[in-house]
Amino acid sequence: KQEVTQIPAALSVPEGENLVLNCSFTDSAIYNLQWFRQDPGKGLTSLLLIQSSQREQTSGRLNASLDKSSGRSTLYIAASQPGDSATYLCAVRTSSYKLIFGSGTRLLVRP
Amino acid sequence: EPEVTQTPSHQVTQMGQEVILRCVPISNHLYFYWYRQILGQKVEFLVSFYNNEISEKSEIFDDQFSVERPDGSNFTLKIRSTKLEDSAMYFCASSDNRYTGELFFGEGSRLTVL
Repeated sequence: KQEVTQIPAALSVPEGENLVLNCSFTDSAIYNLQWFRQDPGKGLTSLLLIQSSQREQTSGRLNASLDKSSGRSTLYIAASQPGDSATYLCAVRTSSYKLIFGSGTRLLVRP
Repeated sequence: EPEVTQTPSHQVTQMGQEVILRCVPISNHLYFYWYRQILGQKVEFLVSFYNNEISEKSEIFDDQFSVERPDGSNFTLKIRSTKLEDSAMYFCASSDNRYTGELFFGEGSRLTVL
């Protein structure tokens, strides 16, 4: 059974810092991995999608990597800003229709 | 930019009442999903829908739940007789590909069962 774990559960950093969020999954047989942002009480905004054949994806200040064989992904945020404060979720697409989500990392960027 | 829209944003209902949550997926997408998130817990899969039938459902999706695409644009989730434990945020999502497509989520419908 696929399990997705995110570390750390919460993170507080000063503005301007570069930071890394971690995601691990137990079954490497995935089709893709997706990173989402969730603001309190709001929906899920897709940030990056990495297909199983890819090693990384970049969008602006965000860079996500995928090491399928070791069951790990990282989300790198460069030059963090207070507006980046949110919960970041990773989710993997397994051999079915569904995404399996992690519990998320709650990020606070202090001005 | 195309988006998934959901209504209502918040619904309060009495235990035992029927609730219908509505979603308009992105227009050229063929795969539709419902997920839910109980406060403080993980986002969890409920059901996927393709070609007017359920493709997969979770253990949560019992006989009290049903989904429908009544008119080619809306995608609905019905809960026949709500329980207190159905209180959650319900998210609709759509995708253009079964395995490799990106899932796009709506803003969610918050259901509170009293």
